[in-house]
Amino acid sequence: EVQLVESGGVVVQPGGSLRLSCAASGFTFDDYTMHWVRQAPGKGLEWVSLISWDGGSTYYADSVKGRFTISRDNSKNSLYLQMNSLRTEDTALYYCAKDNPADYYYGMDVWGQGTTVTVSS
Amino acid sequence: NFMLTQPHSVSESPGKTVTISCTRSSGSIASNYVQWYQQRPGSAPTTVIYEDNQRPSGVPDRFSGSIDSSSNSASLTISGLKTEDEADYYCQSYDSSSVVFGGGTKLTVL
Repeated sequence: EVQLVESGGVVVQPGGSLRLSCAASGFTFDDYTMHWVRQAPGKGLEWVSLISWDGGSTYYADSVKGRFTISRDNSKNSLYLQMNSLRTEDTALYYCAKDNPADYYYGMDVWGQGTTVTVSS
Repeated sequence: NFMLTQPHSVSESPGKTVTISCTRSSGSIASNYVQWYQQRPGSAPTTVIYEDNQRPSGVPDRFSGSIDSSSNSASLTISGLKTEDEADYYCQSYDSSSVVFGGGTKLTVL
């Protein structure tokens, strides 16, 4: 069974840092691009970042560029999101998502259940 | 970057057909595939349409997708509505270095 399990979400003060993790299983992790997508309370989905299969390409939403860093460890089947200079508007449920099997477009086909990040003083 | 605009909400009766639109602000809707996700309350999103009009296995054929270049929009049509279809629906597309979601449409089946 293909599975993504996020962890690391906590309550953190504005200006603080946090690292989210996503453990993947049931598929060949290093074959796929991976994404982070977030959803603020009561709001819609917002794409945050993606990383190519080998980590060679990374892209970010403008809202997090320069503050967040996506990375992966294919030997551990794990995806990460290092979040620095956190703001109250970063409060959200953060989903890890696997990209689709086709190599010619971006679209998610498997999602985790999410981990909650709350930025509050 | 471009934006994808969806209606905030739609409602229809069981057994009827509903269409949710997704309009691209700039660039051609046909230049990049559109995906549609269903999100029920308290659950993660799941794919109902990929590559504009393809259904994943397990998604009923009541769900269909299309694109219309004249209006630069994509549409998700759900026929024979069931109460279990009540959910939020998001369109999604991309360019070479980013992914874009629509704002989401709340479908009420009443």
